[in-house]
Amino acid sequence: EAQVTQNPRYLITVTGKKLTVTCSQNMNHEYMSWYRQDPGLGLRQIYYSMNVEVTDKGDVPEGYKVSRKEKRNFPLILESPSPNQTSLYFCASSPTGMRGEKLFFGSGTQLSVL
Amino acid sequence: EDKVVQSPLSLVVHEGDTVTLNCSYEVTNFRSLLWYKQEKKAPTFLFMLTSSGIEKKSGRLSSILDKKELFSILNITATQTGDSAIYLCAVEAGNTDKLIFGTGTRLQVFP
Repeated sequence: EAQVTQNPRYLITVTGKKLTVTCSQNMNHEYMSWYRQDPGLGLRQIYYSMNVEVTDKGDVPEGYKVSRKEKRNFPLILESPSPNQTSLYFCASSPTGMRGEKLFFGSGTQLSVL
Repeated sequence: EDKVVQSPLSLVVHEGDTVTLNCSYEVTNFRSLLWYKQEKKAPTFLFMLTSSGIEKKSGRLSSILDKKELFSILNITATQTGDSAIYLCAVEAGNTDKLIFGTGTRLQVFP
């Protein structure tokens, strides 16, 4: 089954403790992206990747890192999480470039930073 | 600055009602406008609109784009409780690889 898999689904952590949210897709998609969703602000793009070893900042990249060593994986790293990073995070992928009509979303990761 | 604005923010209706959701945008190099439905978690694709005046339809849902006035509407007729969700509008800008989302409209349909 074609899917984007995020882990974990829920995470509660404390300020400053490094964490990684994993994202993996099984569709051989070139494009992958991370979004965060906050009440009243909609989905905002954090980072995206057009292909392996190519990553670019989105609209809200501060406090986050990503890597794209393999086509299928696009982990999101919070080196020193802070409470303002409490949010619902989505990973998404599409075949070639950012094509909204072919964007597959993961199920989301609800992160709480205390 | 590119922006997408949706209204209303929230809507509560009874089953059988017809609803209209609005999306206006200010985006340079507009390429397309998309609607998504977000139920429990992940958004799922509904429509993509690129040309003015051409209605896209899927069952009880339909959508149309006005590129002159920079807005789109999503209509849902004979609403059902299964239509309860957040409806997201997003715009693709042609010169970037970004999708600019609105804040969403939360629709609740009660029996």
